[in-house]
Amino acid sequence: RKEVEQDPGPFNVPEGATVAFNCTYSNSASQSFFWYRQDCRKEPKLLMSVYSSGNEDGRFTAQLNRASQYISLLIRDSKLSDSATYLCVLSTSRDNDMRFGAGTRLTVKP
Amino acid sequence: EAGVTQFPSHSVIEKGQTVTLRCDPISGHDNLYWYRRVMGKEIKFLLHFVKESKQDESGMPNNRFLAERTGGTYSTLKVQPAELEDSGVYFCASSQRVAGELFFGEGSRLTVL
Repeated sequence: RKEVEQDPGPFNVPEGATVAFNCTYSNSASQSFFWYRQDCRKEPKLLMSVYSSGNEDGRFTAQLNRASQYISLLIRDSKLSDSATYLCVLSTSRDNDMRFGAGTRLTVKP
Repeated sequence: EAGVTQFPSHSVIEKGQTVTLRCDPISGHDNLYWYRRVMGKEIKFLLHFVKESKQDESGMPNNRFLAERTGGTYSTLKVQPAELEDSGVYFCASSQRVAGELFFGEGSRLTVL
């Protein structure tokens, strides 16, 4: 089983739609969780951290479920500019380096 | 403030040749990471420096890869001799603290023919 698993998509949604991605992880010792965004042929950039209590940043909501070992990202009112690959990233307390999922590709269409 | 910079942006070499990639992290970031993304695969961790020390190099694929960070500033990643499967994009990232936000460079695309 992979350390970090994501549905690769692609997710093709119309503008204004709500879309959700899940990411499962295998290491129960994972401590820190993030969503990164990567545009085509660009470097990844932090979208948001994921806190145990869940957190929201505008149209984006992130949730963590430790019992089931997954994190989620919800995007409301999708914009064309949301089109990108969304990477699930986590770190463990053991070595503290970040592990990446393969990414979920989102395309928002007019 | 300058972000993470990587050089070269693209390198095309023949199998058996040597290539050295360079990364300049954000000033003051003690943590420096190398990652690699090969076509269609996820971004894979290679190694992590804290200042000049290798904190974790468990992701280095084999002894053809050598990373250094002399003086705890910039880092180099040398591939010698290069093989076809080494082709991909090599990303460098730095962070102020461990497990903190990673700031990535634009990547060095390596093509081995």
